[in-house]
Amino acid sequence: AQSVTQLGSHVSVSEGALVLLRCNYSSSVPPYLFWYVQYPNQGLQLLLKYTSAATLVKGINDFEAEFKKSETSFHLTKPSAHMSDAAEYFCAVSANYGGSQGNLIFGKGTKLSVKP
Amino acid sequence: KAGVTQTPRYLIKTRGQQVTLSCSPISGHRSVSWYQQTPGQGLQFLFEYFSETQRNKGNFPGRFSGRQFSNSRSEMNVSTLELGDSALYLCASSLVTSGTADTQYFGPGTRLTVL
Repeated sequence: AQSVTQLGSHVSVSEGALVLLRCNYSSSVPPYLFWYVQYPNQGLQLLLKYTSAATLVKGINDFEAEFKKSETSFHLTKPSAHMSDAAEYFCAVSANYGGSQGNLIFGKGTKLSVKP
Repeated sequence: KAGVTQTPRYLIKTRGQQVTLSCSPISGHRSVSWYQQTPGQGLQFLFEYFSETQRNKGNFPGRFSGRQFSNSRSEMNVSTLELGDSALYLCASSLVTSGTADTQYFGPGTRLTVL
């Protein structure tokens, strides 16, 4: 069975500070890992995804995440927070069941607040 | 390309009624997945349809059902609504390419309120 744990339901940073959102996964098969962002009253937007091609994954808006198998982690970082980054962030895992990846398992989410 | 569209965006129903939600995927996408989002349970997978067949199902009661049409559009139905069914229902579509991690593109969701 697969699962995702996001540490910290709320994270607050100052504008310009480093953003670090934590995600740990559990998977019995090589996972595909995703980070999504959700703004109020909107759907989910993909930030980046890990597909085993490279352990450091770069996404949109200067976000990146590093896959660490030994730590079963896939933490999301951004060097400098912007006010527009305030949103809820979700880490998700998908199993590669013969190409069927329509079942994403999400973490509980982390709400990011950015202080001016 | 137009994104994933969901109709209606907002819906208010009473307990015991049934409801049908619609999702139009991105053109060319063949897989449609449905998720329920609530403050308490978070995002939970309902089911996935591909080529008009359900190929994955989450842990939801049989009151939740869905279907996919030949043009890949999908509907989900909830019968005998309960208060706990109040949620944001999200639809996501993906291209389905073998050997890669397909990206799921999400629609804006349908906000269902059950009174």
